[in-house]
Amino acid sequence: DVKVTQSSRYLVKRTGEKVFLECVQDMDHENMFWYRQDPGLGLRLIYFSYDVKMKEKGDIPEGYSVSREKKERFSLILESASTNQTSMYLCASSSRGAGEAFFGQGTRLTVV
Amino acid sequence: DQQVKQNSPSLSVQEGRISILNCDYTNSMFDYFLWYKKYPAEGPTFLISISSIKDKNEDGRFTVFLNKSAKHLSLHIVPSQPGDSAVYFCAAELSGSARQLTFGSGTQLTVLP
Repeated sequence: DVKVTQSSRYLVKRTGEKVFLECVQDMDHENMFWYRQDPGLGLRLIYFSYDVKMKEKGDIPEGYSVSREKKERFSLILESASTNQTSMYLCASSSRGAGEAFFGQGTRLTVV
Repeated sequence: DQQVKQNSPSLSVQEGRISILNCDYTNSMFDYFLWYKKYPAEGPTFLISISSIKDKNEDGRFTVFLNKSAKHLSLHIVPSQPGDSAVYFCAAELSGSARQLTFGSGTQLTVLP
């Protein structure tokens, strides 16, 4: 059973904290993605990576950074959490060739 | 500027009837389209996809239609079941990209028993 696993289902952090969201996939996929989902806005792409140590900005990268030191792991970092970063964060992976992207179960982050 | 639009935030359908979910896009460079289903507090799960070289793809109760000239796709679910109640997202992929997806805002489908 293929899997994308996110380290936490729920997180509560304080404004100004540095926050790490971890994602691991076991499908040997080259591509990995971080999205956030907000009501009425769908899923918006924050950052993606198509190879180890490679990263590209998505549509809303401000306030975020990422790290991909190993093929199976993609981390999203909130440098200084703010209340407008309260959201559902979704990690996904896909192969370089054909086929759909697989998603993790999501992390509901609340910044207070 | 939203490149993928789902103009109906919600849809209610009677069990056993057809559900039709619609999606419009603006970028003619999109060449692969997908539908995902999402339950609350879970990640999206893949439902069905279609390449831009086709106009129809079927998988059991689910059929996706693509009209490239109108830049429109639709998902048909027949017959609808209560377990189909979820948020449905349309997504599009750019040709030659690292396969990142652009999503619509989603449609909440409620199938009434």
